[in-house]
Amino acid sequence: GQNIDQPTEMTATEGAIVQINCTYQTSGFNGLFWYQQHAGEAPTFLSYNVLDGLEEKGRFSSFLSRSKGYSYLLLKELQMKDSASYLCAVRDVLPRDDKIIFGKGTRLHILP
Amino acid sequence: DSGVTQTPKHLITATGQRVTLRCSPRSGDLSVYWYQQSLDQGLQFLIQYYNGEERAKGNILERFSAQQFPDLHSELNLSSLELGDSALYFCASSVADRETQYFGPGTRLLVL
Repeated sequence: GQNIDQPTEMTATEGAIVQINCTYQTSGFNGLFWYQQHAGEAPTFLSYNVLDGLEEKGRFSSFLSRSKGYSYLLLKELQMKDSASYLCAVRDVLPRDDKIIFGKGTRLHILP
Repeated sequence: DSGVTQTPKHLITATGQRVTLRCSPRSGDLSVYWYQQSLDQGLQFLIQYYNGEERAKGNILERFSAQQFPDLHSELNLSSLELGDSALYFCASSVADRETQYFGPGTRLLVL
């Protein structure tokens, strides 16, 4: 089956670091995405991992371990504007079946 | 601004009715994706088109249909509407088949 798990909510302090975890179970993994979504707005692309390892992009980094079915998004130097939902999404590819599955998102609250 | 446009922004209609949502992808993008997002279900992948052809199918109801036209814009048709169809409908586009997706602002549908 297909399943993506991420924590429902997290709280962190401005200036700190937070790690949002995502575990997944798919039949034919072909890439993992992280998106940021502010309330009432469209998701915006943050990162894409298809190979194991860490991808760094400014204050945000994303890690993937395919053998463990695990990814995390690391946010450094948190700012109030980082308060949003963070969506983990996996591309599951099978013969005649190619889908993108989103987790339910992690709502991140930043405290001053 | 992602470059993906969706119309209308808001739509209010009654149960049993039919509506059409429209999406124009970013210039040069061949793939269009449709998603439904409701409060309790998170982001649900509905369907993907690539260069006019259906490419992948997710949790799309039989009452819903979509198509992508030669100019690459896409329409999502929702018929026999039910109260539970009230949601935010997003369109996203990507350059190729398995690339990063850029989301439009969404159409908020309210079925009364």
